[in-house]
Amino acid sequence: DTEVTQTPKHLVMGMTNKKSLKCEQHMGHRAMYWYKQKAKKPPELMFVYSYEKLSINESVPSRFSPECPNSSLLNLHLHALQPEDSALYLCASSQGLSNTEAFFGQGTRLTVV
Amino acid sequence: ILNVEQSPQSLHVQEGDSTNFTCSFPSSNFYALHWYRWETAKSPEALFVMTLNGDEKKKGRISATLNTKEGYSYLYIKGSQPEDSATYLCASRSHSGGGADGLTFGKGTHLIIQP
Repeated sequence: DTEVTQTPKHLVMGMTNKKSLKCEQHMGHRAMYWYKQKAKKPPELMFVYSYEKLSINESVPSRFSPECPNSSLLNLHLHALQPEDSALYLCASSQGLSNTEAFFGQGTRLTVV
Repeated sequence: ILNVEQSPQSLHVQEGDSTNFTCSFPSSNFYALHWYRWETAKSPEALFVMTLNGDEKKKGRISATLNTKEGYSYLYIKGSQPEDSATYLCASRSHSGGGADGLTFGKGTHLIIQP
C-alpha cells in the first residue's frame, strides 16, 4: 500500500465552524507533512511531524492546529478560519527526514465562507 | 536565489518531440532536490530525488541532472507522449540545525503534449 489517504476531498465551512482534516498512511513512514496550496502558487510547507512529534511549524496561525495521534495518522484541526484560508491542503509522508521521496495524498479542497 | 524557480511556466510540445525545463534552487545548505509529476485530480507523484552534484537519474523516457554548486537541475523528456501532460514540480530540501527541512516547491512547469 503506497497510498496517502486524505479525507474529506472537499470541505466548505463557515468562519465560526470547527472542522478537521484527516490524513492516513500505512507505509510505516515516520515523517508526515501538511502543505497548503493556493491557486497558481507552489505548495507551502505548514507543519512537519517526525516520529509523532512536531518538528517544524512554519509560523502558521494558531487557527490551524495539527495533531499526530499515532504514526499512521495526521490531523489538521481548523477553527475560526478566514476566507483567505481557502486552499488545497495536501498531506504527505516520507520514511524519515532524509533524502527519500515524499508520497502525497490527493488533498482536501477547503472553502471558507 | 532564495526561492525555488522553475521555467518555463508552461510549455506546449508536439507529440514525439523531446523537451526540457529548468529548476533553480538555493545552493547553500543544500540537502536534496526532488522532482514530482502532478496530473490534474491526482496526487503529486515522485519522479526523482537527487543529492549529489553531477547526479543524473533516468526513469523510462524521463531523465534529470543536478548541479548543486550553481543551484540548478534540468528535467528532460524524450519522445513526448500525451500521457506526459502534467505539471512538473521541483522542490528543494535544505539543512537546518535539527536536520533536513520540509520541501520548498517551485511553481511548476505546466506541460501540454499536443497530438
